[in-house]
Amino acid sequence: GAGVSQSPSNKVTEKGKDVELRCDPISGHTALYWYRQSLGQGLEFLIYFQGNSAPDKSGLPSDRFSAERTGGSVSTLTIQRTQQEDSAVYLCASSSLTGGSGSPLHFGNGTRLTVT
Amino acid sequence: GESVGLHLPTLSVQEGDNSIINCAYSNSASDYFIWYKQESGKGPQFIIDIRSNMDKRQGQRVTVLLNKTVKHLSLQIAATQPGDSAVYFCAEKGATNKLIFGTGTLLAVQP
Repeated sequence: GAGVSQSPSNKVTEKGKDVELRCDPISGHTALYWYRQSLGQGLEFLIYFQGNSAPDKSGLPSDRFSAERTGGSVSTLTIQRTQQEDSAVYLCASSSLTGGSGSPLHFGNGTRLTVT
Repeated sequence: GESVGLHLPTLSVQEGDNSIINCAYSNSASDYFIWYKQESGKGPQFIIDIRSNMDKRQGQRVTVLLNKTVKHLSLQIAATQPGDSAVYFCAEKGATNKLIFGTGTLLAVQP
């Protein structure tokens, strides 16, 4: 079946503009995660959804970042007033289970955001 | 946000040799561990997972070992192939539901 789909795959924007990144998780997956990966570095947790609610948004770097999920499916990550330090690859993942011992996260190929 | 480490170690092996990639995890309460492979321009790809009630799990050409005493995880790849060249990440998951990733190791397979 289809994997996690993210769009756009690449986004170049000017500093100060708002951007919206989209994630379509695997059908039926209840958990959805957003991560950020800067060049040559590891994955930084941003936010986690269970259904449409976000029990953990502790990784959002500032109030310029927000995310929502509707219908227990599609999620959007919005970055307002983008800054150059926001440049990174934004990865979305979904999982069919929650809890400490669960199923693995399945990742999309990410959106590469470049802020000029 | 949370992440572990800024330095990317590199492991260089000859094609056909076995590879061992190591990872130290941080939280003794973590009870689920995953290894991911990430190729350039792609998202992380699931390789193998292990729960804390096990110390070894085998897949096709891969084995994960878990040592909870010293909080150490390793990934063994048998008969390494050029297609195995990638960055490998370990990840741990606990009661908070979020997956915390390790630094990553670049595996370079020499033909």
